[in-house]
Amino acid sequence: KQEVTQIPAALSVPEGENLVLNCSFTDSAIYNLQWFRQDPGKGLTSLLLIQSSQREQTSGRLNASLDKSSGRSTLYIAASQPGDSATYLCAVIPSGNTPLVFGKGTRLSVIA
Amino acid sequence: DAGITQSPRHKVTETGTPVTLRCHQTENHRYMYWYRQDPGHGLRLIHYSYGVKDTDKGEVSDGYSVSRSKTEDFLLTLESATSSQTSVYFCAISGTGREETQYFGPGTRLLVL
Repeated sequence: KQEVTQIPAALSVPEGENLVLNCSFTDSAIYNLQWFRQDPGKGLTSLLLIQSSQREQTSGRLNASLDKSSGRSTLYIAASQPGDSATYLCAVIPSGNTPLVFGKGTRLSVIA
Repeated sequence: DAGITQSPRHKVTETGTPVTLRCHQTENHRYMYWYRQDPGHGLRLIHYSYGVKDTDKGEVSDGYSVSRSKTEDFLLTLESATSSQTSVYFCAISGTGREETQYFGPGTRLLVL
């Protein structure tokens, strides 16, 4: 059974700092991996999707990498801002069009 | 943003009553999902659908049923609500294709007294 772990559970950083969020998964035979953002009381917003054949994806200040062989993905946020404060969730798609398996998220606070 | 709506957005009900939550999409996507989100457990899959009248169980399906009679609507029913079903419920959709992401609705907050 695929399991997804995110460490740390919570992180607080000063504004402007570059930071890395970690995601690990137990079964390397994945189809895709997706990173989401969730603001308090809100739904999930998709940030980046990495296909299993890809090594990384970039969107603005966000860069997500994928290392299938080691069962790891990282989300890099450059020059963090208070508006980046949210919970970031990593999810694995085990095979085509199957439901996501989620980690429990990392709650990020960026302090001005 | 993908066109997904959930109704109701908030509901308070009593133990033992039936409850139906609705997810409606305007994207004509084939796949629809129901998740629940609870502190300490994260997001867990309840049921999903891979087409009209085609559904399958997820990790936490006990006490829940679903129906999909049209592409755009996916209903989640709690046959007899219990306090353990107090949660936030999210609907998600996805299309076919390798690059398809899952898009989530705004959620329904359900309180069972």
